[in-house]
Amino acid sequence: GNSVTQMEGPVTLSEEAFLTINCTYTATGYPSLFWYVQYPGEGLQLLLKATKADDKGSNKGFEATYRKETTSFHLEKGSVQVSDSAVYFCALSESGNQFYFGTGTSLTVIP
Amino acid sequence: EPEVTQTPSHQVTQMGQEVILRCVPISNHLYFYWYRQILGQKVEFLVSFYNNEISEKSEIFDDQFSVERPDGSNFTLKIRSTKLEDSAMYFCASSESRLNYGYTFGSGTRLTVV
Repeated sequence: GNSVTQMEGPVTLSEEAFLTINCTYTATGYPSLFWYVQYPGEGLQLLLKATKADDKGSNKGFEATYRKETTSFHLEKGSVQVSDSAVYFCALSESGNQFYFGTGTSLTVIP
Repeated sequence: EPEVTQTPSHQVTQMGQEVILRCVPISNHLYFYWYRQILGQKVEFLVSFYNNEISEKSEIFDDQFSVERPDGSNFTLKIRSTKLEDSAMYFCASSESRLNYGYTFGSGTRLTVV
């Protein structure tokens, strides 16, 4: 079946540090992969996506590359800011009708 | 920017009571969804809804659950007789189409069953 395994949190980083949040997946077909972000008190927002192997999704300085050989979609950012503090969810979807999410990773960035 | 609105943000209910969670999707969206997240666990798909009927549902979505679009703007999730294990954050989402994966999620309703 389909599932997503996400790096356990919480993660605490100093401002301008490098961020990696690991995500691996299992899928029966050829899924699209996503990162969603939830800021305090808000809904889940799409951060970036990749629809096929070797695609790189990017947005707001965040990047993730769809690696079929390692079934991974790790989220990276070169220099985090305090405003990046949020919960990050990795997800996959094959049909667009149903998403499979990870447990979420809480990130706190301290000045 | 258009939003998906969920009310209430937090609801406490007694075990065995019926509860209705409300959502106002984005006005031109055609597909509607409910997800839930039990504390410390994954966000799980419950149901998708299109053209006034359920298009897909998970094993979680048993006879205790129902969804409705009672008018042109609201999309509701009803739990008929709540159990302690229904305590979770419930997220509503809507999208214009399935193909562009453009889900917009609400900020969630935290349901606590006591």
